[in-house]
Amino acid sequence: DAKTTQPPSMDCAEGRAANLPCNHSTISGNEYVYWYRQIHSQGPQYIIHGLKNNETNEMASLIITEDRKSSTLILPHATLRDTAVYYCIAPTYAGGTSYGKLTFGQGTILTVHP
Amino acid sequence: DTGVSQDPRHKITKRGQNVTFRCDPISEHNRLYWYRQTLGQGPEFLTYFQNEAQLEKSRLLSDRFSAERPKGSFSTLEIQRTEQGDSAMYLCASSSPPAGPRVNYGYTFGSGTRLTVV
Repeated sequence: DAKTTQPPSMDCAEGRAANLPCNHSTISGNEYVYWYRQIHSQGPQYIIHGLKNNETNEMASLIITEDRKSSTLILPHATLRDTAVYYCIAPTYAGGTSYGKLTFGQGTILTVHP
Repeated sequence: DTGVSQDPRHKITKRGQNVTFRCDPISEHNRLYWYRQTLGQGPEFLTYFQNEAQLEKSRLLSDRFSAERPKGSFSTLEIQRTEQGDSAMYLCASSSPPAGPRVNYGYTFGSGTRLTVV
């Protein structure tokens, strides 16, 4: 997997946008960027993924720079329930019958405060 | 479908005992993964099944660990002769086959089984 670097922790006020950065300068052209989050005492939850175009779903938006060396996960209106560890992962391309192993790093602890 | 189910949620065992955990994946998912997570760390890959075939095992999976997925449905993870270092959260995840040539990395995880070895 491409190495990813995330800040260890971030704070955000409730109702404001949370912008979580991730550096993946060694990412190759066919490697997607995936984001997961893990709320305390639960399993990780898939959020969103993208290759080079910006992506949006009901949970978040993903902005990937044109050179694909970094990305930002945006939670547009953070709530207290968004307090979690957020993981940015760039898994090595695997096609056909290859399995898809995810390698989790330390992630970013996002704390949303009232 | 209620997602990925893991049982039990918590297990306390004495050192040297055997324990078995169960995972029920989402029914249409043919890929199943086991991960282990210790306090303050991200989940670490243990093993992977595609249908009933165990296709990959991590070096973390010592010979005291065994996983099965009979008939490609639920899976079990057994730890024999538990040690205190086995204390961790054991997570199961499943994913659907890829729609195209690419692997689908959008897993659905269960809530995990927290093992404490005393």
